Amino acid sequence: SQTIHQWPATLVQPVGSPLSLECTVEGTSNPNLYWYRQAAGRGLQLLFYSVGIGQISSEVPQNLSASRPQDRQFILSSKKLLLSDSGFYLCAWRQTGGRETQYFGPGTRLLVL
Amino acid sequence: AQKITQTQPGMFVQEKEAVTLDCTYDTSDPSYGLFWYKQPSSGEMIFLIYQGSYDQQNATEGRYSLNFQKARKSANLVISASQLGDSAMYFCAAGFKAAGNKLTFGGGTRVLVKP
Repeated sequence: SQTIHQWPATLVQPVGSPLSLECTVEGTSNPNLYWYRQAAGRGLQLLFYSVGIGQISSEVPQNLSASRPQDRQFILSSKKLLLSDSGFYLCAWRQTGGRETQYFGPGTRLLVL
Repeated sequence: AQKITQTQPGMFVQEKEAVTLDCTYDTSDPSYGLFWYKQPSSGEMIFLIYQGSYDQQNATEGRYSLNFQKARKSANLVISASQLGDSAMYFCAAGFKAAGNKLTFGGGTRVLVKP
């Protein structure tokens, strides 16, 4: 069966520091991968998605970037964090060519101080 | 742009009773999928149920059923026999073929089940 991992689970970072959040998927190959952000008490906003290694699409202009160095690895990064980057970051995967259902990881809570 | 609307910010439901969560969507795309996710306090998004726009029958998954009314563009979630563990945020989402099947989420409904 497929599993999706995210780490770290919680992160507190100062403004201006760099960021690297990692997401990995097991038990599937060539998945579509997604990064979402959720502000407190709000819905999910799609940040990036990837249909393959090295292929990244950005949904909204922002202070963040994403990379997919391996088939089942998706990384969310920033060179300098802003206060507004605080939130709950969720990674999701979907089987290529299959139903649109996305399956989510446990998420990372980021607090920028 | 596609839009998903959940008009109920929060609801109380008595344990063992049924609850209906509203969801409407706005699209001209004839091909789409509708989803409901549950988000407990832990934060993880748990997939509950899926309905395709061409499906003739309403989807059911255990105690969850989706009341799909295509002409009204609504996809309400019905939870039967509520349990205390059903207390969570519930999100409606849709993936539209014209938008590459990327999911668009509603704002969510918080459900609290009372014993």
